[in-house]
Amino acid sequence: EIVLTQSPATLSLSPGDRATLSCRASQSVSSYLAWYQQRPGQAPRLLIYDTSNRATGIPARFSGSGSGTDFTLAISSLEPEDFAVYYCQQRTNWQYTFGQGTKLEIK
Amino acid sequence: EVQLLESGGGLVQPGGSLRLSCAVSGFTFSSYAMSWVRQAPGKGLEWVSGISGRGDNTYYADSVKGRLSISRDNSKNTVYLQMNSLRAEDTAVYYCAKVLGYYYDSSGYHPNNDFDYWGQGTLVTVSS
Repeated sequence: EIVLTQSPATLSLSPGDRATLSCRASQSVSSYLAWYQQRPGQAPRLLIYDTSNRATGIPARFSGSGSGTDFTLAISSLEPEDFAVYYCQQRTNWQYTFGQGTKLEIK
Repeated sequence: EVQLLESGGGLVQPGGSLRLSCAVSGFTFSSYAMSWVRQAPGKGLEWVSGISGRGDNTYYADSVKGRLSISRDNSKNTVYLQMNSLRAEDTAVYYCAKVLGYYYDSSGYHPNNDFDYWGQGTLVTVSS
């Protein structure tokens, strides 16, 4: 099983700051890495697929990068609605794993 | 508008069974694979099972293999999760999710099975 490790576990920032979230895979996942946002009491929402493609309706302040085992989600200027939990996810031959999540909280 | 609506959750005793349903609308159901993803209270996300658009291929996480069974009825636009021999660790909110399917970019056609739409979830509690 491919293990995804996200860091940091919690990120405390202020609106307007830039956020950088990391996801490391235990073995290469090629470019098959996605990012989801989950607000309290809501279902996850797809932000980024295949490393760097923004999903429909996702603002341009969200961007993804990386390859192989190291990936990054960047949020250029935080809006109040961006404070949530973020998960990375890999898909390999119809076996999916998620990272444990990074909680982005207001400082 | 794409909509996914789960139902069937509830309280069940250890060893018991439950069948979850996910009724969808707003897209050509038979053209897309579907999955179930769960989230234990206060925990992260865990993929459980997936099924191809025609229903001829099914996939399971090792943690549920042999106990959970996914199926779909394309005439009813519904995907199911039959849950048997339930354990306390199966307690979670169960989400159904649609896969993105495919996309095009400057380098051409790309299949993609990430989850672009999710239902609101249904809570399954396994407890005596």
